[in-house]
Amino acid sequence: DAGVTQSPTHLIKTRGQQVTLRCSPKSGHDTVSWYQQALGQGPQFIFQYYEEEERQRGNFPDRFSGHQFPNYSSELNVNALLLGDSALYLCASIQTGGTEAFFGQGTRLTVV
Amino acid sequence: EDKVVQSPLSLVVHEGDTVTLNCSYEVTNFRSLLWYKQEKKAPTFLFMLTSSGIEKKSGRLSSILDKKELSSILNITATQTGDSAIYLCAPQTGTYKYIFGTGTRLKVLA
Repeated sequence: DAGVTQSPTHLIKTRGQQVTLRCSPKSGHDTVSWYQQALGQGPQFIFQYYEEEERQRGNFPDRFSGHQFPNYSSELNVNALLLGDSALYLCASIQTGGTEAFFGQGTRLTVV
Repeated sequence: EDKVVQSPLSLVVHEGDTVTLNCSYEVTNFRSLLWYKQEKKAPTFLFMLTSSGIEKKSGRLSSILDKKELSSILNITATQTGDSAIYLCAPQTGTYKYIFGTGTRLKVLA
């Protein structure tokens, strides 16, 4: 079992650009959540996808959007990038009825 | 607004020491509290606590939840250099939504 995989591992973008991050959940997991972790901070909940719908959302602007595919994989899109969007973006998956969320290694996004 | 406070923010100890990490929370719709260890990037699961006063143990690590005081502690006995990491506390609110604290950065010196 490959666990949760994210791509790419690192990314450098310019202010104003758009970015797409990808996540493949652990086998059998149907719920995917995205978190933003700024340097020195804990992960902050962005949103969660289940059955291809956004089920919950944290306090993030509409520039952050996502998608879940029928195979449960997910994408996080960020438009009009700001310097403050520089962070580690973590994807977490869990199986409905499960007790722990498994995290991927994250994508380190740097906005210059 | 949901709030999670962890203390201390950082800690430096020597191998063999025992440490206690604290987590206080104020969240709506509390369901459980999870502890994670983050060494490089991916947080790895340590414990999930749902009931007050019942200690969970895994080797040298143990944790307990106090729902009356809205807090939890994580104990690590006989620390090793491999315990050096950031320890994250995360109350669960809603369906699999976790509110993370800033974490406690633990460094264990040989």
